[in-house]
Amino acid sequence: DVVMTQSPLSLSVTLGQPASISCSSSQSLLYSNGNTYLNWFHHRPGQSPRRLIYKVSIRDSGVPDRFSGSGSGTDFTLKISRVEAEDVGIYYCIQGTHWPNTFGQGTKLEIK
Amino acid sequence: EVQVVESGGGLVQPGGSLRLSCVASGFTVSSTCMSWVRQAPGKGLEWVSIFCSSGDTYHADSVQGRFTISRDNSKNTLHLQMNSLRVDDTAVYYCASDISGTENVWGQGTLVTVSS
Repeated sequence: DVVMTQSPLSLSVTLGQPASISCSSSQSLLYSNGNTYLNWFHHRPGQSPRRLIYKVSIRDSGVPDRFSGSGSGTDFTLKISRVEAEDVGIYYCIQGTHWPNTFGQGTKLEIK
Repeated sequence: EVQVVESGGGLVQPGGSLRLSCVASGFTVSSTCMSWVRQAPGKGLEWVSIFCSSGDTYHADSVQGRFTISRDNSKNTLHLQMNSLRVDDTAVYYCASDISGTENVWGQGTLVTVSS
């Protein structure tokens, strides 16, 4: 199975400051059709997960443009340009290129 | 409105069975890939199973041989048949559409508790 490794596992950020989460995969996530199926989710306790980014860098509808995704191959990054209070929670990357799909361990973001 | 609603969770003894259902509205389950994802208490998200529009199905190693994903096109519903349940299958189970595609929708989740 493809192992997804996130870092850091926890993040404490001052409001208005940037944040960055890395996700690396044990195999390339480039699929034979040219797409890279690396997605980012945000999960708050008691709520359903919400997808922020799919195929590395495409923002979902309604997701603020302070969120951006980048990367290729085996190394990917989620960036928040200016953290807001509503951004607290756990962030997960998940690869959809290989079966079974696999999540990273999650990165907990809190406000300092 | 595009949405999915899960049901079927509950308390079951180890070794028992449960069948989860996920009813979709606003889209057709047969036209996309539908997944089950779970979160055990205090743990992260774990991908469980998927049923794609092609008819292909896949399961995580942890549930392979015990869980079966299926689809009822006439009822626009996804199912997860869970047999030989173990204590470590205790989790909130979410149904989600198109995790890697353009239209990703999640349900509110259904709690499965495996305990004697």
